[in-house]
Amino acid sequence: DAGITQSPRHKVTETGTPVTLRCHQTENHRYMYWYRQDPGHGLRLIHYSYGVKDTDKGEVSDGYSVSRSKTEDFLLTLESATSSQTSVYFCAISEGQGIDTQYFGPGTRLTVL
Amino acid sequence: QQQVKQSPQSLIVQKGGISIINCAYENTAFDYFPWYQQFPGKGPALLIAIRPDVSEKKEGRFTISFNKSAKQFSLHIMDSQPGDSATYFCAAPATMTTDSWGKLQFGAGTQVVVTP
Repeated sequence: DAGITQSPRHKVTETGTPVTLRCHQTENHRYMYWYRQDPGHGLRLIHYSYGVKDTDKGEVSDGYSVSRSKTEDFLLTLESATSSQTSVYFCAISEGQGIDTQYFGPGTRLTVL
Repeated sequence: QQQVKQSPQSLIVQKGGISIINCAYENTAFDYFPWYQQFPGKGPALLIAIRPDVSEKKEGRFTISFNKSAKQFSLHIMDSQPGDSATYFCAAPATMTTDSWGKLQFGAGTQVVVTP
């Protein structure tokens, strides 16, 4: 497995609370991604990073923010969690762009009550 | 937003049978179509990918067929085994611009169950 860890692996929180998910890689890959996975929707890109402090929005970015202060860490923050953000969140990395393989982490299951 | 439409949503196949999953896409700036395999409780992992300077790519029991004019591609799993039971996602480049750096748009997934 590619060296990707996600923390926490499971979290239950209440509506309106802030939540931060962490993705850590040991591969020194430049590109990092956050996806959410929901039944019937597959994987949808939330935010991505193309370098330290370089990030941009994906297709479902509303309600989420990200930060990348080091190559190895990519943080996803839900400023005020809502029940619609209950999902499984996956981090992915890739060495290059375009046709390079994306390697996924083990996922974080988030439940917002 | 470009969409990738994947079908069927689920399928059940007997051991030794053929599993076929289809995907249709809209316009892409470049041609790269990967398939990812996901087991329960795990993250997706690249199974096979095609860059359509060819119309077909085969790796072991897994084959991708590509029809550029129809904007469709499919995954065939030959001699399906119980260990192939998983969810399969197709993907296509998500952007129209040639300076895309690799965003993928995924299909909704197909849950494959291979019965003994």
